[in-house]
Amino acid sequence: LAKTTQPISMDSYEGQEVNITCSHNNIATNDYITWYQQFPSQGPRFIIQGYKTKVTNEVASLFIPADRKSSTLSLPRVSLSDTAVYYCLVGDTNTGFQKLVFGTGTRLLVSP
Amino acid sequence: NAGVTQTPKFQVLKTGQSMTLQCAQDMNHEYMSWYRQDPGMGLRLIHYSVGAGITDQGEVPNGYNVSRSTTEDFPLRLLSAAPSQTSVYFCASSYASRAYEQYFGPGTRLTVT
Repeated sequence: LAKTTQPISMDSYEGQEVNITCSHNNIATNDYITWYQQFPSQGPRFIIQGYKTKVTNEVASLFIPADRKSSTLSLPRVSLSDTAVYYCLVGDTNTGFQKLVFGTGTRLLVSP
Repeated sequence: NAGVTQTPKFQVLKTGQSMTLQCAQDMNHEYMSWYRQDPGMGLRLIHYSVGAGITDQGEVPNGYNVSRSTTEDFPLRLLSAAPSQTSVYFCASSYASRAYEQYFGPGTRLTVT
């Protein structure tokens, strides 16, 4: 599994756009990039997955450049309820069960 | 759908005691798994199952046993509790066709004294 590096923490204010970048220099051809969100005292929750270019859903957007060595999770107009830890994971999703490898993630704090 | 449920929410054990953490899902997911999360750290995979009757070890399996006799249930057994097993335990499940999208339960907070 490719190792990922992301900032330990980020601060933002309500209404701002937040971009969390993840570095994965050793990403393999078959690897996808997946992001999870974890609120305090809860299990992680799947947010979004992508392979290249841009993916958007009702929660976030994921930007992946052509070389795929990094990716950026974009949260539009954050609110206090977006305060959470965000995990970037990289792995081959074509090989059965996914042994998700969670690092320490990025702790996002949204203030009023 | 209740999703993924775990019992108990909290448990305190003495060193050497055994217990079973329960996990159930009602989404007919093929895959199920157990993770532990220590304070300030990411999750680590303990055991997983790709279907009834099939289990395999994850990253940190020592001290734990699992079985999967039905699609819905995946209990985790602590054989002889040790303080190093103090952690929050999460059960997760997913469809085989979307294995990257795992649904996590609310967790069991275990303290071993």
